[in-house]
Amino acid sequence: DIVMTQTPLSLSVTPGQPASISCKSSQSLLHSDGKTYLYWYLQKPGQSPQLLIYEVSSRFSGVPDRFSGSGSGTDFTLKISRVEAEDVGVYYCMQGMHVITFGQGTRLEIK
Amino acid sequence: EVQLVESGGGLVQPGGSLRLSCAASGFTFSTYSMNWVRQAPGKGLEWVSYISSSSTSIYYADSVKGRFTISRDNAKNSLYLQMNSLTAEDTAVYFCASPKGGYWGQGTLVTVSS
Repeated sequence: DIVMTQTPLSLSVTPGQPASISCKSSQSLLHSDGKTYLYWYLQKPGQSPQLLIYEVSSRFSGVPDRFSGSGSGTDFTLKISRVEAEDVGVYYCMQGMHVITFGQGTRLEIK
Repeated sequence: EVQLVESGGGLVQPGGSLRLSCAASGFTFSTYSMNWVRQAPGKGLEWVSYISSSSTSIYYADSVKGRFTISRDNAKNSLYLQMNSLTAEDTAVYFCASPKGGYWGQGTLVTVSS
């Protein structure tokens, strides 16, 4: 199975400041179809996970443009340009190359 | 509007069985592969099982292989998870999901305890 490793595991950010989360996979997520199957999710307290980014850098419907994804191969990053109070929760990266696997999660809190 | 609604969770004794169901609506269920994902209390997300759109491909996490069975009924727009030989380590919220499409249910809590 592909192992996903996130850093850091927790973040404390002042509103209006940027935040960045790294995700590394144990194997390349570049598929033979040319797509890279890396996703970013946010799970707000008491809620189901919500998709933020699919295929490395495409924002899902309704996701604010302060969220952006980048990377290739095995190294990926989620950036929030200006953190807002509603961004609190746990962020997960997920790979979809074969059976899905998730990173450990990164807890974001507001200072 | 896409909806995935899980049911069938509850309290069960160690060694017991439960059958989870997931009712899908708002999208063409029969064309989507589906998964069960679980989350133990205070823990992260753990993939449990996968079934392709036509049920021809099925996979399980090692932690549930031989004990859990995934199935679907496309005529009823429904996904199922039969869980046998349950242990305390299976205590979790179980989500029905098609994660690549961003579709998740609200989850159903399974508690294994005597």
